[in-house]
Amino acid sequence: DAGITQSPRHKVTETGTPVTLRCHQTENHRYMYWYRQDPGHGLRLIHYSYGVKDTDKGEVSDGYSVSRSKTEDFLLTLESATSSQTSVYFCAIRTSGRAAAGNTIYFGEGSWLTVV
Amino acid sequence: GQQLNQSPQSMFIQEGEDVSMNCTSSSIFNTWLWYKQDPGEGPVLLIALYKAGELTSNGRLTAQFGITRKDSFLNISASIPSDVGIYFCAGRVNSKLTFGKGITLSVRP
Repeated sequence: DAGITQSPRHKVTETGTPVTLRCHQTENHRYMYWYRQDPGHGLRLIHYSYGVKDTDKGEVSDGYSVSRSKTEDFLLTLESATSSQTSVYFCAIRTSGRAAAGNTIYFGEGSWLTVV
Repeated sequence: GQQLNQSPQSMFIQEGEDVSMNCTSSSIFNTWLWYKQDPGEGPVLLIALYKAGELTSNGRLTAQFGITRKDSFLNISASIPSDVGIYFCAGRVNSKLTFGKGITLSVRP
């Protein structure tokens, strides 16, 4: 499972409230990602990180912020949740190797978020 | 932006049959990955491909990295009921991964 833990696994929150999802990894990987998965859209990248305090936007970053103060933790925050952010959120890590082989992406088990 | 095309959206096969899935793009990728996702779970990596033309097997699964680097296929041989799920292809360039929308596979006993 590449040592990825997501929390919470399930959450129901009200529109307008802040929500933070946590991704924790135990294997010191440099790259971490947050995706959301929705019917008809598949997996879409929200933000990613390439090191402590180094982050960049993905294709659906509006309404989301991230932070990475430690290698092992990558936090996704919805500052003011909206119903359109009801989704399943997946954290992922990228393994690294000397050559291209070994650069593989593994996913966590997902966080189901419902905004009512 | 980059897009990966997987079709059809759903496939229905009989247990014991072989099935092939394609993934195509107009963009070139450096890595192709195939994932399977069960309900309520995260995508699980099945096969990773790193070089154009590479053919890799994992048990009953075989995948190939297209020569043009714009496509890949996944074959499942002698399907069994636990092969049911959603199969995603993904292409990677640098640090970003692009996903297909997935094919839902159903296996009739």
